[in-house]
Amino acid sequence: DFVMTQTPLSSPVTLGQPASISCRSSQSLVHSDGNTYLSWLQQRPGQPPRLLIYKISNRFSGVPDRFSGSGAGTDFTLEISRVEAEDVGVYYCMQATQFPYTFGQGTKLEIK
Amino acid sequence: EVQLLESGGGLVQPGGSLRLSCAASGFTFSSYAMSWVRQAPGKGLEWVSTISGSGGSTNYPDSVKGRFTISRDNSKNTLYLQMNNLRAEDTAVYYCAKAVLLSGVGYFDYWGQGTLVTVSS
Repeated sequence: DFVMTQTPLSSPVTLGQPASISCRSSQSLVHSDGNTYLSWLQQRPGQPPRLLIYKISNRFSGVPDRFSGSGAGTDFTLEISRVEAEDVGVYYCMQATQFPYTFGQGTKLEIK
Repeated sequence: EVQLLESGGGLVQPGGSLRLSCAASGFTFSSYAMSWVRQAPGKGLEWVSTISGSGGSTNYPDSVKGRFTISRDNSKNTLYLQMNNLRAEDTAVYYCAKAVLLSGVGYFDYWGQGTLVTVSS
């Protein structure tokens, strides 16, 4: 199975400041079709997960452009350019390159 | 607007069974794979199963293989999860998710609100 490891597990951030979350896979997520099926999800308190980024760096519909994704192979990053209060929650990376699909442990973003 | 509405959760004894449903609307249901993902109380996300748009292909992790069965009725735009021989560790909120998958790879773009399953005596 592909093990997804996120760091940090908790991230206190000042409003208006940037935030960065790392996700590392135990194996390369590059599929034989050339794509990398790494996505980022946001889960606000009491809410279901919501897709933010798919295939490493593609912002999903309606996602603010302060969110961006980058990386390749086994190392990926989610960046928030200027954190807003509504960004509080837990962020997960997920791989759907190979069954079983797996998630990172989650990173809790909170405001200082 | 894509909507996914889960139902069927509740309290069940260990060894019991439960069937979850997910009513979908706002997209051509039969054209998309669908999945179930669960989240134990205070824990992270765990993929539970995926079914192709036609229903002809299914996948499960080892933790539920042989106990859970995913199915769909494309005429009713509804996804199901039959859960048998339930264990305490199956206690979780179960989400259905619309999948953008091609040959089993892709991502989940829409999620339902979830339904809580509690396995306890």
